[in-house]
Amino acid sequence: GQQLNQSPQSMFIQEGEDVSMNCTSSSIFNTWLWYKQDPGEGPVLLIALYKAGELTSNGRLTAQFGITRKDSFLNISASIPSDVGIYFCAGPFYNQGGKLIFGQGTELSVKP
Amino acid sequence: DARVTQTPRHKVTEMGQEVTMRCQPILGHNTVFWYRQTMMQGLELLAYFRNRAPLDDSGMPKDRFSAEMPDATLATLKIQPSEPRDSAVYFCASGLRLGLGETQYFGPGTRLLVL
Repeated sequence: GQQLNQSPQSMFIQEGEDVSMNCTSSSIFNTWLWYKQDPGEGPVLLIALYKAGELTSNGRLTAQFGITRKDSFLNISASIPSDVGIYFCAGPFYNQGGKLIFGQGTELSVKP
Repeated sequence: DARVTQTPRHKVTEMGQEVTMRCQPILGHNTVFWYRQTMMQGLELLAYFRNRAPLDDSGMPKDRFSAEMPDATLATLKIQPSEPRDSAVYFCASGLRLGLGETQYFGPGTRLLVL
């Protein structure tokens, strides 16, 4: 079945460093979504990608829809303490009307 | 700033009691999803609706869980009777299907503890 493999599982970085995480699948996706979840809150949509090769930025965040449609990357530049949280990638199940598969999440810790 | 709202935010109850969680989707969104999040299982889809019609509830234990959308502004998830293993955070999300693109917006969640 369709699965998303997200890596790394966790990251411990120094404030100011750049961060990169990715999501891969054995299946093709038509949409890639990146969410961030703060402790005690629901996931918040950061970036949505709808086209292979698309590169989209949201402030210090940049995400790319892989050209093979089987992967996506999220980069955070110049990390700050409020970037702490869990980042999830997600994509829709094929032909199942909007159901999303979620990656396992990347937990980011930023040391001031 | 349109948001998905969920009530209650926290619920502590005893085993065997009925629990009802409510969700108000973003106005104009035509899909509503219920998820459960635990440390062990991550985010699991329980059920979802499009235009108020249930499309898939295969992720939901049918004997005790039920999900409904009595109108376009309210979705409910009910557990009867509740069990300690139901303790989790329950999220509602709403979305809008436009062509091939669809995004989901999550509510803040209901943190349920069943003793």
